[in-house]
Amino acid sequence: GESVGLHLPTLSVQEGDNSIINCAYSNSASDYFIWYKQESGKGPQFIIDIRSNMDKRQGQRVTVLLNKTVKHLSLQIAATQPGDSAVYFCAENNAGNMLTFGGGTRLMVKP
Amino acid sequence: GAVVSQHPSWVICKSGTSVKIECRSLDFQATTMFWYRQFPKQSLMLMATSNEGSKATYEQGVEKDKFLINHASLTLSTLTVTSAHPEDSSFYICSAITSGRATDTQYFGPGTRLTVL
Repeated sequence: GESVGLHLPTLSVQEGDNSIINCAYSNSASDYFIWYKQESGKGPQFIIDIRSNMDKRQGQRVTVLLNKTVKHLSLQIAATQPGDSAVYFCAENNAGNMLTFGGGTRLMVKP
Repeated sequence: GAVVSQHPSWVICKSGTSVKIECRSLDFQATTMFWYRQFPKQSLMLMATSNEGSKATYEQGVEKDKFLINHASLTLSTLTVTSAHPEDSSFYICSAITSGRATDTQYFGPGTRLTVL
Protein backbone atom coordinates (compact mmCIF):
# COMPACT_ATOMS: atom_id res chain seq x y z
CA GLY A 1 0.00 0.00 0.00
CA GLU A 2 1.01 3.61 -0.27
CA SER A 3 2.73 5.14 2.68
CA VAL A 4 4.42 8.16 4.10
CA GLY A 5 7.96 7.79 5.38
CA LEU A 6 10.84 9.76 6.78
CA HIS A 7 14.51 9.84 5.83
CA LEU A 8 16.08 10.51 9.25
CA PRO A 9 15.04 8.83 12.46
CA THR A 10 17.04 11.18 14.72
CA LEU A 11 18.18 14.75 14.24
CA SER A 12 20.46 16.48 16.71
CA VAL A 13 20.91 20.24 16.45
CA GLN A 14 22.49 22.97 18.49
CA GLU A 15 20.20 25.41 20.24
CA GLY A 16 19.69 28.43 18.04
CA ASP A 17 20.38 26.60 14.80
CA ASN A 18 17.75 25.88 12.20
CA SER A 19 16.30 22.37 11.92
CA ILE A 20 15.06 20.65 8.82
CA ILE A 21 12.99 17.49 9.07
CA ASN A 22 12.20 15.64 5.87
CA CYS A 23 9.40 13.38 4.80
CA ALA A 24 8.73 11.43 1.62
CA TYR A 25 5.25 10.40 0.60
CA SER A 26 4.21 7.96 -2.05
CA ASN A 27 0.53 8.67 -2.67
CA SER A 28 0.58 11.16 -5.50
CA ALA A 29 -3.15 11.71 -5.07
CA SER A 30 -2.73 13.14 -1.56
CA ASP A 31 -3.71 16.78 -1.40
CA TYR A 32 -3.29 17.73 2.22
CA PHE A 33 -0.34 17.28 4.56
CA ILE A 34 0.18 18.02 8.22
CA TRP A 35 3.14 18.14 10.57
CA TYR A 36 2.63 17.08 14.16
CA LYS A 37 4.87 17.34 17.19
CA GLN A 38 4.67 14.67 19.85
CA GLU A 39 6.33 15.00 23.22
CA SER A 40 6.99 11.94 25.32
CA GLY A 41 3.81 10.46 26.74
CA LYS A 42 1.54 12.96 25.04
CA GLY A 43 -0.69 13.05 22.02
CA PRO A 44 0.36 14.67 18.73
CA GLN A 45 0.14 18.43 18.57
CA PHE A 46 -0.71 20.17 15.31
CA ILE A 47 2.11 22.36 14.02
CA ILE A 48 1.34 23.38 10.48
CA ASP A 49 -0.44 22.10 7.42
CA ILE A 50 -0.24 22.61 3.69
CA ARG A 51 -2.49 21.87 0.78
CA SER A 52 -1.22 20.51 -2.49
CA ASN A 53 -1.96 23.72 -4.35
CA MET A 54 0.78 25.41 -2.35
CA ASP A 55 4.51 24.77 -2.20
CA LYS A 56 5.33 26.75 0.91
CA ARG A 57 3.58 27.85 4.04
CA GLN A 58 4.99 29.73 7.00
CA GLY A 59 3.97 29.83 10.62
CA GLN A 60 5.64 31.13 13.71
CA ARG A 61 9.25 29.91 13.46
CA VAL A 62 8.13 27.03 11.24
CA THR A 63 7.95 26.64 7.49
CA VAL A 64 6.61 23.70 5.53
CA LEU A 65 7.77 23.07 2.00
CA LEU A 66 6.02 20.77 -0.41
CA ASN A 67 7.63 19.44 -3.57
CA LYS A 68 5.01 17.50 -5.45
CA THR A 69 7.37 16.61 -8.27
CA VAL A 70 9.47 14.41 -6.02
CA LYS A 71 6.75 13.85 -3.42
CA HIS A 72 8.74 15.40 -0.63
CA LEU A 73 7.69 17.40 2.40
CA SER A 74 9.92 19.23 4.84
CA LEU A 75 9.51 21.09 8.10
CA GLN A 76 11.92 23.87 8.89
CA ILE A 77 12.21 25.17 12.43
CA ALA A 78 14.06 28.44 12.84
CA ALA A 79 16.20 29.17 15.89
CA THR A 80 15.56 25.77 17.42
CA GLN A 81 14.91 25.84 21.14
CA PRO A 82 15.15 23.12 23.81
CA GLY A 83 11.36 23.08 23.93
CA ASP A 84 11.33 21.93 20.32
CA SER A 85 12.80 18.58 21.35
CA ALA A 86 10.20 15.99 20.45
CA VAL A 87 9.25 13.49 17.78
CA TYR A 88 7.91 15.04 14.63
CA PHE A 89 5.51 13.23 12.33
CA CYS A 90 4.35 14.14 8.89
CA ALA A 91 0.88 12.95 8.01
CA GLU A 92 -0.95 12.58 4.78
CA ASN A 93 -4.69 13.19 4.69
CA ASN A 94 -6.36 10.47 2.70
CA ALA A 95 -9.97 10.24 1.60
CA GLY A 96 -12.45 10.55 4.43
CA ASN A 97 -10.10 12.53 6.65
CA MET A 98 -7.98 9.49 7.39
CA LEU A 99 -4.42 10.29 8.32
CA THR A 100 -1.46 8.15 7.38
CA PHE A 101 1.51 8.95 9.56
CA GLY A 102 5.16 8.75 8.67
CA GLY A 103 7.61 6.91 10.89
CA GLY A 104 8.64 9.96 12.90
CA THR A 105 11.87 11.88 13.45
CA ARG A 106 13.23 12.56 16.90
CA LEU A 107 14.61 16.08 17.22
CA MET A 108 17.17 16.56 19.96
CA VAL A 109 18.25 20.09 20.77
CA LYS A 110 21.63 20.47 22.44
CA PRO A 111 22.04 23.48 24.74
CA GLY B 1 -8.65 26.04 20.31
CA ALA B 2 -10.27 22.64 20.11
CA VAL B 3 -9.52 20.45 23.11
CA VAL B 4 -9.81 16.69 23.22
CA SER B 5 -9.47 14.81 26.48
CA GLN B 6 -9.00 11.15 27.26
CA HIS B 7 -9.71 9.18 30.39
CA PRO B 8 -7.95 7.46 31.97
CA SER B 9 -4.47 8.67 31.11
CA TRP B 10 -2.89 5.43 32.32
CA VAL B 11 -4.39 2.10 33.19
CA ILE B 12 -2.85 -1.15 34.37
CA CYS B 13 -4.96 -4.27 34.26
CA LYS B 14 -4.69 -8.02 34.51
CA SER B 15 -4.79 -10.21 31.46
CA GLY B 16 -8.33 -11.16 30.52
CA THR B 17 -10.04 -8.05 31.83
CA SER B 18 -11.75 -5.39 29.73
CA VAL B 19 -10.75 -1.76 29.75
CA LYS B 20 -12.79 1.22 28.59
CA ILE B 21 -11.11 4.38 27.34
CA GLU B 22 -13.09 7.58 26.88
CA CYS B 23 -12.42 10.30 24.35
CA ARG B 24 -14.21 13.62 24.72
CA SER B 25 -14.27 16.79 22.65
CA LEU B 26 -14.54 19.49 25.28
CA ASP B 27 -15.39 22.63 23.36
CA PHE B 28 -16.70 21.43 20.03
CA GLN B 29 -18.93 18.79 18.55
CA ALA B 30 -17.07 16.02 16.80
CA THR B 31 -18.82 14.41 13.89
CA THR B 32 -15.98 11.98 13.49
CA MET B 33 -13.48 10.56 15.92
CA PHE B 34 -10.50 8.35 15.22
CA TRP B 35 -8.71 5.82 17.37
CA TYR B 36 -5.01 5.18 16.97
CA ARG B 37 -2.56 2.83 18.58
CA GLN B 38 1.08 3.64 19.06
CA PHE B 39 3.72 1.16 20.17
CA PRO B 40 6.97 2.43 21.72
CA LYS B 41 9.19 4.31 19.29
CA GLN B 42 6.74 3.73 16.48
CA SER B 43 4.31 5.86 14.57
CA LEU B 44 0.57 6.12 15.06
CA MET B 45 -1.49 3.44 13.40
CA LEU B 46 -5.13 4.09 12.69
CA MET B 47 -7.39 1.48 14.25
CA ALA B 48 -10.85 2.73 13.41
CA THR B 49 -12.98 5.66 12.36
CA SER B 50 -16.00 6.44 14.46
CA ASN B 51 -18.97 8.50 13.28
CA GLU B 52 -21.61 9.62 15.73
CA GLY B 53 -24.63 7.38 15.66
CA SER B 54 -23.23 4.77 13.32
CA LYS B 55 -20.98 1.76 13.46
CA ALA B 56 -17.26 2.28 13.46
CA THR B 57 -15.15 1.48 10.43
CA TYR B 58 -12.18 -0.66 11.33
CA GLU B 59 -8.87 -0.80 9.57
CA GLN B 60 -7.66 -4.05 8.13
CA GLY B 61 -6.25 -6.33 10.78
CA VAL B 62 -8.08 -4.69 13.70
CA GLU B 63 -10.56 -7.03 15.38
CA LYS B 64 -13.85 -5.25 15.84
CA ASP B 65 -15.01 -7.72 18.47
CA LYS B 66 -11.91 -7.09 20.52
CA PHE B 67 -11.83 -3.32 20.19
CA LEU B 68 -15.38 -2.15 20.72
CA ILE B 69 -16.06 1.43 19.73
CA ASN B 70 -19.13 3.42 20.67
CA HIS B 71 -19.78 6.98 19.53
CA ALA B 72 -23.06 7.72 21.20
CA SER B 73 -22.86 11.50 21.19
CA LEU B 74 -21.11 14.30 19.35
CA THR B 75 -18.70 14.77 22.23
CA LEU B 76 -17.92 11.24 23.38
CA SER B 77 -16.45 8.13 21.87
CA THR B 78 -15.34 5.10 23.85
CA LEU B 79 -12.92 2.32 23.03
CA THR B 80 -13.25 -0.89 25.01
CA VAL B 81 -10.41 -3.36 24.83
CA THR B 82 -12.07 -6.67 25.63
CA SER B 83 -10.22 -9.57 27.22
CA ALA B 84 -6.99 -7.62 27.16
CA HIS B 85 -3.69 -9.45 26.79
CA PRO B 86 -0.10 -8.24 27.25
CA GLU B 87 0.27 -7.71 23.50
CA ASP B 88 -2.52 -5.12 23.71
CA SER B 89 -0.29 -2.96 25.88
CA SER B 90 0.14 0.23 23.95
CA PHE B 91 -0.54 3.96 23.84
CA TYR B 92 -4.05 4.58 22.58
CA ILE B 93 -4.77 8.00 21.14
CA CYS B 94 -8.02 9.44 19.88
CA SER B 95 -8.59 12.41 17.63
CA ALA B 96 -11.63 14.36 16.58
CA ILE B 97 -12.74 16.55 13.72
CA THR B 98 -15.70 18.84 13.41
CA SER B 99 -17.42 19.28 10.11
CA GLY B 100 -16.11 16.32 8.17
CA ARG B 101 -14.64 18.39 5.36
CA ALA B 102 -11.84 16.71 3.47
CA THR B 103 -9.19 18.90 5.04
CA ASP B 104 -10.42 19.29 8.58
CA THR B 105 -7.71 19.36 11.18
CA GLN B 106 -7.62 16.42 13.53
CA TYR B 107 -7.28 17.41 17.16
CA PHE B 108 -5.63 14.76 19.24
CA GLY B 109 -6.22 13.71 22.79
CA PRO B 110 -3.35 13.27 25.26
CA GLY B 111 -3.39 9.50 24.92
CA THR B 112 -4.05 6.60 27.26
CA ARG B 113 -1.28 4.24 28.19
CA LEU B 114 -2.56 0.70 28.66
CA THR B 115 -0.39 -1.84 30.42
CA VAL B 116 -1.70 -5.41 30.57
CA LEU B 117 0.02 -7.66 33.06
